[in-house]
Amino acid sequence: GQSLEQPSEVTAVEGAIVQINCTYQTSGFYGLSWYQQHDGGAPTFLSYNGLDGLEETGRFSSFLSRSDSYGYLLLQELQMKDSASYFCAVSPRVGANNLFFGTGTRLTVIP
Amino acid sequence: ETGVTQTPRHLVMGMTNKKSLKCEQHLGHNAMYWYKQSAKKPLELMFVYSLEERVENNSVPSRFSPECPNSSHLFLHLHTLQPEDSALYLCASSQEASGGGELFFGEGSRLTVL
Repeated sequence: GQSLEQPSEVTAVEGAIVQINCTYQTSGFYGLSWYQQHDGGAPTFLSYNGLDGLEETGRFSSFLSRSDSYGYLLLQELQMKDSASYFCAVSPRVGANNLFFGTGTRLTVIP
Repeated sequence: ETGVTQTPRHLVMGMTNKKSLKCEQHLGHNAMYWYKQSAKKPLELMFVYSLEERVENNSVPSRFSPECPNSSHLFLHLHTLQPEDSALYLCASSQEASGGGELFFGEGSRLTVL
């Protein structure tokens, strides 16, 4: 089976840094993705980790540790528009994008 | 604009109705997906089509019937649904075998079953 655990809610102050963790137990693993979804909107791709370590894309970074079955999304210099739900997702096998998603973390950025 | 368009955006239907959800992608991708999003639950993968052939069906009840007439269009036919089927149905596309974990989602069809 597939299981991905994330905190359900996180609140942070504008300008601060926040980390959203994801632990997974899956029958196959090839990589970990992160998606952002605003209320009423489509999930949009943020980043992907196929190898251990940190991937940086502007204010967002994502980290993977295969040995710990763990990853996180780091958001820096938080802005009000970053208030959204964030999902981690596992690619179960090479070359496949039939992703399995976590339950999502609701991030609220406050002034 | 994600390049994936879903219609209708909202649908209310009775348990005895038959309706269809439509998805169209303008990205030149060769794989398309249906996901179900319910409150407090992970996105659930329902169906995967690659090169217009169904490659995955995650034990979805037969009251949901997918159709993929070509690589740009995907339908989800609905009949005799239950109230617990009320959810947001998301369509996505990707370039199969590219890996990289990147799906392109539409904004979804919000379904309410009375």
